[in-house]
Amino acid sequence: AQKVTQAQTEISVVEKEDVTLDCVYETRDTTYYLFWYKQPPSGELVFLIRRNSFDEQNEISGRYSWNFQKSTSSFNFTITASQVVDSAVYFCALSEAKGNTPLVFGKGTRLSVIA
Amino acid sequence: DAGVIQSPRHEVTEMGQEVTLRCKPISGHDYLFWYRQTMMRGLELLIYFNNNVPIDDSGMPEDRFSAKMPNASFSTLKIQPSEPRDSAVYFCASRSSGAYGYTFGSGTRLTVV
Repeated sequence: AQKVTQAQTEISVVEKEDVTLDCVYETRDTTYYLFWYKQPPSGELVFLIRRNSFDEQNEISGRYSWNFQKSTSSFNFTITASQVVDSAVYFCALSEAKGNTPLVFGKGTRLSVIA
Repeated sequence: DAGVIQSPRHEVTEMGQEVTLRCKPISGHDYLFWYRQTMMRGLELLIYFNNNVPIDDSGMPEDRFSAKMPNASFSTLKIQPSEPRDSAVYFCASRSSGAYGYTFGSGTRLTVV
């Protein structure tokens, strides 16, 4: 069965600090997809990234970066030089390729960036 | 593309009333998902459809919940009778098979008083 664990329930940082959000997953499938979504106070789910299980290259997009390590079943998300607008709940999610299974979400990490 | 469209955005109803939530997926997407978000349980899958056929409804909490997809462009989630514990945000999402890109609607915030 699939499972996504986000051990950090809430994180609070001061603006301009770097912050890493942890995500650990469990799956029996060899082909799967990992996702990060952002949910700002307005409530919508904003897609950030999708990563194929065969692609372990780290990815950087502006101030965002993702570290995918199959050896530890982790897909961590780092925000560099955090800003107040980064305050949101961040969700990690998993979808197995076999059977087109739906997204399974972690419980989310609430990030508060204080000015 | 207008994205996944959900209506209403907000719904306040009295306990015991019937509530119907609506979703229009992205044209061409053959998968449709209904999720519920609560503080206690997070984002949980209720049911999903493939080509208008329900594939897995094991997440539907009880018989008071029902979902339909009469055609490729419309789905409903109905709660009858509603209870205060049904208060949550309900999200609809769609995707195309093999694409693995999920598009979520803006959600419906349901409050049952």
